[in-house]
Amino acid sequence: DARVTQTPRHKVTEMGQEVTMRCQPILGHNTVFWYRQTMMQGLELLAYFRNRAPLDDSGMPKDRFSAEMPDATLATLKIQPSEPRDSAVYFCASGSPPSGPSSYEQYFGPGTRLTVT
Amino acid sequence: QKEVEQNSGPLSVPEGAIASLNCTYSDRGSQSFFWYRQYSGKSPELIMSIYSNGDKEDGRFTAQLNKASQYVSLLIRDSQPSDSATYLCAVNTLGSGNTGKLIFGQGTTLQVKP
Repeated sequence: DARVTQTPRHKVTEMGQEVTMRCQPILGHNTVFWYRQTMMQGLELLAYFRNRAPLDDSGMPKDRFSAEMPDATLATLKIQPSEPRDSAVYFCASGSPPSGPSSYEQYFGPGTRLTVT
Repeated sequence: QKEVEQNSGPLSVPEGAIASLNCTYSDRGSQSFFWYRQYSGKSPELIMSIYSNGDKEDGRFTAQLNKASQYVSLLIRDSQPSDSATYLCAVNTLGSGNTGKLIFGQGTTLQVKP
């Protein structure tokens, strides 16, 4: 059963440490999205890729966040150095090319719950 | 004005009733509309998509789209306690072309009381 996978599911780290989150999109999906969700801000788009190329990372703090897609089966989101305000749930979603007038339907992974102390 | 607006709720309905969730959007050129359900501590799950004016039914769920009034709604018939969740409205705006980028509302929390 095709689904997006994310690792780790939970991460607790100290301020200043590097955090790497990984995502495996659904096989055949060519677009990958990274979101962050907090109670205050809701679901925020951080960055997204199509065919492994970054399309938009304007939602991401550039000084500490980076996103890459080294191959079609792996997307990574890295925070260095991490700060307490980065504590959130980070979701990866993938989408397949639309047919007709429809847009990409996005399917979410289970998320990585990050706590920075 | 936010691009996609939803009443945060909570919306409380008795079991068996119809729950009506509403969403308005600001970009008149928006073309694709989605409803996601998110249980507490879980990830958003796509439950409905709609692209044309009118109604689209799937089981107990009906999505309604009115582009002239810029709103989209989700009706849940015969509401069950298991429907208690946060419902997120998402819109693909014209400005994002066909990149697949979605703008999400803040979500409406639905509580179905037994």
